[in-house]
Amino acid sequence: AQSVAQPEDQVNVAEGNPLTVKCTYSVSGNPYLFWYVQYPNRGLQFLLKYITGDNLVKGSYGFEAEFNKSQTSFHLKKPSALVSDSALYFCAVRDVGDDKIIFGKGTRLHILP
Amino acid sequence: EAQVTQNPRYLITVTGKKLTVTCSQNMNHEYMSWYRQDPGLGLRQIYYSMNVEVTDKGDVPEGYKVSRKEKRNFPLILESPSPNQTSLYFCASSLSGKGNQPQHFGDGTRLSIL
Repeated sequence: AQSVAQPEDQVNVAEGNPLTVKCTYSVSGNPYLFWYVQYPNRGLQFLLKYITGDNLVKGSYGFEAEFNKSQTSFHLKKPSALVSDSALYFCAVRDVGDDKIIFGKGTRLHILP
Repeated sequence: EAQVTQNPRYLITVTGKKLTVTCSQNMNHEYMSWYRQDPGLGLRQIYYSMNVEVTDKGDVPEGYKVSRKEKRNFPLILESPSPNQTSLYFCASSLSGKGNQPQHFGDGTRLSIL
C-alpha cells in the first residue's frame, strides 16, 4: 500500500534564508508525486509534480522539489524564503496504475520577518 | 474562469438532519473527489469518481454517500450526520484519475454538527 510522510509538523525559517519541507513516500511501483499549498480559508493549490527523469522539478512561486529515488524522498525547496510563503504544505503520492492518491498530514511553514 | 465550486461554504446543523454539500466543476474533468481535513490528520479521501456513474470508496467513506449523474457535479450526502463528521470538506477534480494530473480544489465547506 502506498503511504506518504511529512516528518515535521512545523518549519520556521527566517526571511531570505533557504527553506526545505520534507516528504518521504512508499509505493509498490513507480510514484507520481505532488506538492500543494494551502493558504488560510482556501482550498489546496497545486505547486509542482514529479516528472519522470527529472530529479529537480521547478514549480510555481519559485519553489522546486528534489526527487531522490534511493531515499524515497521528494523534498520541497526554495532558495530564498518570503514572508508570503507562510502557509500549510501538503505532499501527495499516487502509485502508477492506482486510482487513489494519498496526502501527507501537512507541514506548516512559518517565514519570520 | 476554471474552478471548482462548493456550496455551502459554512453550515451549522444538528445530529440526524440530512444534508447535501454540492460540488461543481467547469473544466470537463473526468475525475472528482471528496476529502475531509482534520487537525493532525491532514487530508483524507472520502469518495472519488473516475467518471460519470463510477464511484469508489476512499479511506473514510462511513456515514457518507455520493453520486455522479453528470460529469460536472459530484454532491456529498450525509444521510444522518453525527458530531464526528464535524470537519472541513474539500471537493477536487482533475482531468484524469490516473497518472500525474494535478487536482483543482474548491475553497472548502466548514461543517459543524451539533
